[in-house]
Amino acid sequence: AQKITQTQPGMFVQEKEAVTLDCTYDTSDPSYGLFWYKQPSSGEMIFLIYQGSYDQQNATEGRYSLNFQKARKSANLVISASQLGDSAMYFCAMSGYAGGTSYGKLTFGQGTILTVHP
Amino acid sequence: DVKVTQSSRYLVKRTGEKVFLECVQDMDHENMFWYRQDPGLGLRLIYFSYDVKMKEKGDIPEGYSVSREKKERFSLILESASTNQTSMYLCASSLQNSGNTIYFGEGSWLTVV
Repeated sequence: AQKITQTQPGMFVQEKEAVTLDCTYDTSDPSYGLFWYKQPSSGEMIFLIYQGSYDQQNATEGRYSLNFQKARKSANLVISASQLGDSAMYFCAMSGYAGGTSYGKLTFGQGTILTVHP
Repeated sequence: DVKVTQSSRYLVKRTGEKVFLECVQDMDHENMFWYRQDPGLGLRLIYFSYDVKMKEKGDIPEGYSVSREKKERFSLILESASTNQTSMYLCASSLQNSGNTIYFGEGSWLTVV
């Protein structure tokens, strides 16, 4: 079984500063994917970044980077130069691969509410 | 622009009513999913489907059923709604073997009174 743990229910950051949102995972699958999603108050889930378990380099997408430490089973999201529009709920999630096929079935963490102060 | 559309954003239903939540995707995706989201619990998988007329239970299927008669449509059914099913419901879809490309609908907020 897969498990995702986000230990920070809420985080605060000053505008223009960087912030790290923590995520640890547990799985027995040899191959897996790690995701971060942003959910504003409107409820939509916005895909931010993806890391495959065999990717050698940490994933980056604009101001988002994923600090992947496989031995520690952590996949922290780093947001650089925070903006007021970054205030939202953030979810870490994991998918598994069965027989080489990923079906997109995700296991989610509890979420972290990020508040960016001006 | 790719799209997963959930037919109702906000619903209020009475205890014991039969409730249908509809989800349609226009991307010809094989896989479709229903999640529910509750504070402090994140999103939990209710049911998923890999193909037409095919369904698999997720982590919390009790009290729910699903229907997939056409590839683009995946319906979540609450046979007899209860107050503990008050929640936010999210539909998602993905290609058969492209697990890093998953699209979500905007969510349906269901209140059972």
